[in-house]
Amino acid sequence: DAKTTQPPSMDCAEGRAANLPCNHSTISGNEYVYWYRQIHSQGPQYIIHGLKNNETNEMASLIITEDRKSSTLILPHATLRDTAVYYCIVRVARGSQGNLIFGKGTKLSVKP
Amino acid sequence: DSGVTQTPKHLITATGQRVTLRCSPRSGDLSVYWYQQSLDQGLQFLIQYYNGEERAKGNILERFSAQQFPDLHSELNLSSLELGDSALYFCASSGGDPGETQYFGPGTRLLVL
Repeated sequence: DAKTTQPPSMDCAEGRAANLPCNHSTISGNEYVYWYRQIHSQGPQYIIHGLKNNETNEMASLIITEDRKSSTLILPHATLRDTAVYYCIVRVARGSQGNLIFGKGTKLSVKP
Repeated sequence: DSGVTQTPKHLITATGQRVTLRCSPRSGDLSVYWYQQSLDQGLQFLIQYYNGEERAKGNILERFSAQQFPDLHSELNLSSLELGDSALYFCASSGGDPGETQYFGPGTRLLVL
């Protein structure tokens, strides 16, 4: 799987949008971008994934650049409960063995 | 709640002992994955089962083994435990295609004294 690069930490004010960047310059055409987060020591929580189009769900939006070499996860109105480590992962979504390769992620701190 | 359950939540044992961690996947999911998260190594993939068969192996020690039963629940067996095996152990499951989105359980925290 392709490697990703994320900033180690970010701060965000409560109520503001949190924009978490991810670089994946070696991504292959059949690889998706997945985002998970881990709050404290809980199990990683799936957030969103996409291939090349922007995606939105009830948790977040995913913006993927046209060349697919980077993406941004957007939490539109961050709350204190969004404080967590956010992981950006690229992987083939179909027909693969499927295991996820986690990097160090971005530690997002949402402040009052 | 992801729908994946893991037991026990906490486990304290001594070096040299053997423990079994249990995972029940989401209803209908055929794939089960085990991950280990220690302070210095981060989240690492151990092993995957798909519909009862071993599908992929990651950084799993020979002292560790797993299986998936006909009802699709899975067990991770850790033997000859060492202090360094203290970690969080997570199970994840995904649907019919192993490449589908994985959903994680709450984990088992193992402390080896």
